[in-house]
Amino acid sequence: GIQVEQSPPDLILQEGANSTLRCNFSDSVNNLQWFHQNPWGQLINLFYIPSGTKQNGRLSATTVATERYSLLYISSSQTTDSGVYFCALTDSWGKLQFGAGTQVVVTP
Amino acid sequence: DARVTQTPRHKVTEMGQEVTMRCQPILGHNTVFWYRQTMMQGLELLAYFRNRAPLDDSGMPKDRFSAEMPDATLATLKIQPSEPRDSAVYFCASGLVPDGGLQETQYFGPGTRLLVL
Repeated sequence: GIQVEQSPPDLILQEGANSTLRCNFSDSVNNLQWFHQNPWGQLINLFYIPSGTKQNGRLSATTVATERYSLLYISSSQTTDSGVYFCALTDSWGKLQFGAGTQVVVTP
Repeated sequence: DARVTQTPRHKVTEMGQEVTMRCQPILGHNTVFWYRQTMMQGLELLAYFRNRAPLDDSGMPKDRFSAEMPDATLATLKIQPSEPRDSAVYFCASGLVPDGGLQETQYFGPGTRLLVL
């Protein structure tokens, strides 16, 4: 199956800092999603981004499908950004394959 | 604001008991997924339905787990008998596959946190 690797596994940021999370994948895919799992366990869709660049507030994402990677940018981080960020890829059947996630802690 | 709902949100039970988890997908969505999240395994797909038909349940232990969609507004995941190793958070997600198109964004419910003693 599709291999999804995320880096770094953990990240500690001071409030206001910027950061980049990376997702590498092993095969061509139909689409890619980024999720944020907050400290209460809720999984929130951030981006549906099979290719190109999207922005939503302080977050943006870029997927380069031909090179099999996607990046999630967090700018001016806030404590509410803490949680786990997952990259997930959809195969031709619509099944999501999740990466192991990046645990982000934003300190005041 | 349409969202996926799951019940119960928390469940504590004893080994050997039956557990039933329910999910109401977003109205109009035609795909439903059941996932399990544990510290050791992360997020795993258990079962997948499209237009109420099971497409893939290869991730589910068949001897004790079963997943059904009695109608378009209800999906169920049942464990019988439950075991301590089934303790996890179980998420339901729904999405839309347009005719001839590809799976779009999946939306997750709040999860059912299961503890089997």
